[in-house]
Amino acid sequence: QSALTQPPSASGSPGQSVTISCTGTSSDIGGYNYVSWYQQHPGKAPKLMIYEVSKRPSGVPDRFSASKSGNTASLTVSGLQADDEADYYCCSYAGSTHLFGGGTKLTVL
Amino acid sequence: EVQLVESGGGLVQPGGSLQLSCAASGFIFSGSAMHWVRQASGKGLEWVGRIKNKANSYATTYAASVKGRFTISRDDSKNTAYLQMNSLKTEDTAVYYCAAATTGFDPWGQGTLVTVSS
Repeated sequence: QSALTQPPSASGSPGQSVTISCTGTSSDIGGYNYVSWYQQHPGKAPKLMIYEVSKRPSGVPDRFSASKSGNTASLTVSGLQADDEADYYCCSYAGSTHLFGGGTKLTVL
Repeated sequence: EVQLVESGGGLVQPGGSLQLSCAASGFIFSGSAMHWVRQASGKGLEWVGRIKNKANSYATTYAASVKGRFTISRDDSKNTAYLQMNSLKTEDTAVYYCAAATTGFDPWGQGTLVTVSS
């Protein structure tokens, strides 16, 4: 199984919104409502930001939202802040296994 | 405090073996599936495998890249998960993370570096 497809980079100015896409197939994203998103700052472990397509864990700001349509999931970060600059990874259940996306480096200009 | 702490990483020659440990605290370890995820330097995350809880017969699954070489186990009495890595290849060089899975992968450990080199 191939990794999910994410754009390598995305950027936005403080206060703006940016959306990161994650494309898979009907065997992963399209087949299950188990898409999650992770934020990773350099040298740190990943942090869960979104689970089950659009649910936010306690403590994650509501500036982070996500959705899914068909085989593509999307993460939107609104009101960009400097600390949002990080790598973002999507992940999907794929029927007993899991797949990660290649990651998107979000730059806050 | 909810915490996962990996240990056991290091330098190993190609073809060698290594066992990683993941010690859990602050949550009900026995009820959680446990996953291993790795990240080569400068690269993205790669799911390695997982072990379910006792209620799900400790079922394991693995990524195709490690199947037949890596084995995940757990000792609920010690709140610890393990990753046994055999027949290691240079391409297995990475930081290895363990993560609990209830709703998404959370929490994660800090990672342990495995370097496969002669």
